[in-house]
Amino acid sequence: DAKTTQPPSMDCAEGRAANLPCNHSTISGNEYVYWYRQIHSQGPQYIIHGLKNNETNEMASLIITEDRKSSTLILPHATLRDTAVYYCIVRVPIQGAQKLVFGQGTRLTINP
Amino acid sequence: GAVVSQHPSWVICKSGTSVKIECRSLDFQATTMFWYRQFPKQSLMLMATSNEGSKATYEQGVEKDKFLINHASLTLSTLTVTSAHPEDSSFYICSARTSGGHGYTFGSGTRLTVV
Repeated sequence: DAKTTQPPSMDCAEGRAANLPCNHSTISGNEYVYWYRQIHSQGPQYIIHGLKNNETNEMASLIITEDRKSSTLILPHATLRDTAVYYCIVRVPIQGAQKLVFGQGTRLTINP
Repeated sequence: GAVVSQHPSWVICKSGTSVKIECRSLDFQATTMFWYRQFPKQSLMLMATSNEGSKATYEQGVEKDKFLINHASLTLSTLTVTSAHPEDSSFYICSARTSGGHGYTFGSGTRLTVV
């Protein structure tokens, strides 16, 4: 069962920052937030993950609210190649396994 | 970085036949692998969790006798779709759990078409 809520679609202009929100109001203290993206007909690609602190890597930044009930993925300078479906996932231990259960994601379209 | 190779990338088979999909971790050992299925315009649905040397754990509603999973080594898991029917046509994706880094690497997927 997905534990996240994301807008189904978003648009962003090329060169601008893309901010993708995610609600995970039932998250527990030891559950990580992961972000993946999927370009059409390919396997998901890892972007970033975090627990409590904000995180940044070469692809994106992850801002997690203090209460951890929501987060925002930031692509600082979006390009046309960033057009994809972005999935926010809360990793939960289910029956001993640490699974990634995908929600519906946000279809991000970068416009020229 | 961790690489997962999935083969074949696409396959067409006749109704009633079986199809095997391979998922290999190329540069690391994966004690746990996951199999997903994705229908057009939908999200990934987790089918099963595969642990090396033991039986796979299937998600609710997934037929274990139809989707046979074998994880005989630390670098290879296979999914066999038995007696395939057109409704089994889908995009199948595997993922391997890594011990370090972000922890999950996905294969490039296999598009199965049953005719």
